[in-house]
Amino acid sequence: QVQLVQSGADVMKPGASVKVSCKASGYTFNGYYMHWVRQAPGQGLEWMGRINPNNGGANYAQKFQGRVTMTRDTSISTAYMELSRLRSDDTAVYYCATFPDLVPYWGQGTLVTVSS
Amino acid sequence: SYELTQPPSVSVSPGQTARITCSGDALPKEYAYWYQQKPGQAPILVIYKDSERPSGIPERFSGSGSGTTVTLTISGVQAEDEADYYCQSTDSSSTFWVFGGGTKLTVL
Repeated sequence: QVQLVQSGADVMKPGASVKVSCKASGYTFNGYYMHWVRQAPGQGLEWMGRINPNNGGANYAQKFQGRVTMTRDTSISTAYMELSRLRSDDTAVYYCATFPDLVPYWGQGTLVTVSS
Repeated sequence: SYELTQPPSVSVSPGQTARITCSGDALPKEYAYWYQQKPGQAPILVIYKDSERPSGIPERFSGSGSGTTVTLTISGVQAEDEADYYCQSTDSSSTFWVFGGGTKLTVL
């Protein structure tokens, strides 16, 4: 079955960068976009962008352009999301998600806390 | 930018039918997905591809669409259905995901 397993929680200082990983299994990793979504405390779901694991091409939401980088390592079926110049309002749970055959599967979420 | 619009809240009594709407210009062309989220938990998929129900989701959850509006219907609402519900779809280029603002379902 499709599984997405994310890296553990992180506490970061303002201005730093964070890199969250998402290891996929149970489907053809190269065949489907990997998306990243975040949810700040008490807020709704927010799409950050997606990466094509086949060629590494990425599309980012305008809000995150210039601060987010999505990459992948196909040899280990893992996608990464790096967010730089962190601010306190980047404190959120970050999720990876994929859609093989138009059925969505989500990772368990990674809490990133930005605090001085 | 493209938006999906949901009502902020819906309230129903146990056993009644709850309907949560989601409006967006690209919905006639793009599939809609619905997620349930309870406090402190990750979102759970309850409807995919407009009206398909994942295994393990009770039959009282159903999805439908008409024009630029899709609807999540919960028949015979139970207390355990109290949660936030989010719709999700893509823009007309099928590139960017978008989420509705969420609807808080209260079971009176």
